[in-house]
Amino acid sequence: DGGITQSPKYLFRKEGQNVTLSCEQNLNHDAMYWYRQDPGQGLRLIYYSQIVNDFQKGDIAEGYSVSREKKESFPLTVTSAQKNPTAFYLCASSILGQPSYEQYFGPGTRLTVT
Amino acid sequence: GENVEQHPSTLSVQEGDSAVIKCTYSDSASNYFPWYKQELGKRPQLIIDIRSNVGEKKDQRIAVTLNKTAKHFSLHITETQPEDSAVYFCAARYSGGYQKVTFGTGTKLQVIP
Repeated sequence: DGGITQSPKYLFRKEGQNVTLSCEQNLNHDAMYWYRQDPGQGLRLIYYSQIVNDFQKGDIAEGYSVSREKKESFPLTVTSAQKNPTAFYLCASSILGQPSYEQYFGPGTRLTVT
Repeated sequence: GENVEQHPSTLSVQEGDSAVIKCTYSDSASNYFPWYKQELGKRPQLIIDIRSNVGEKKDQRIAVTLNKTAKHFSLHITETQPEDSAVYFCAARYSGGYQKVTFGTGTKLQVIP
């Protein structure tokens, strides 16, 4: 199970507060991803990054921000602008290109905003 | 962008029977199709994948088929066991510059002992 970690496992915040979710990997992967998982909606891509200091919006980036200052780290900030932030958040990483495009997932962070 | 549809959303089978989950994708430029299994409370893990230059791939009781013309691919699990109970996600990777993968909405498989 090692290689990619997320903290904390559970996070509770009051509405209107920004919150940052941590994601760290020691797999030497170039690419990192953030997904949001809601019941019945699968995994929806929030942001992804292929190299340090570069990242791209995914399908549901509104209300979220990221940074990629180090290869190993890809923190996600859920801002107060995100209208429905309560969800399960998964971070993933992968190598770039061949031979495998497999994504390795972290254990996830369950965020509850009240 | 890519759109991946997955059916059914839930599937119940008797232990020992086969299970089939189907996915369609929209972008003909997608070239890699993985399947992930997520057990309750755990992270998704890759169980099998297929590339666009291959029509079928098998790994013990699991197989995936790809029809590029129709833009659909399927996961087949034979001789199902209770430990196969999980949520299964299909996905498609666009072959363009950025390594973006689009996931289906998931199928909750229940294997009844």
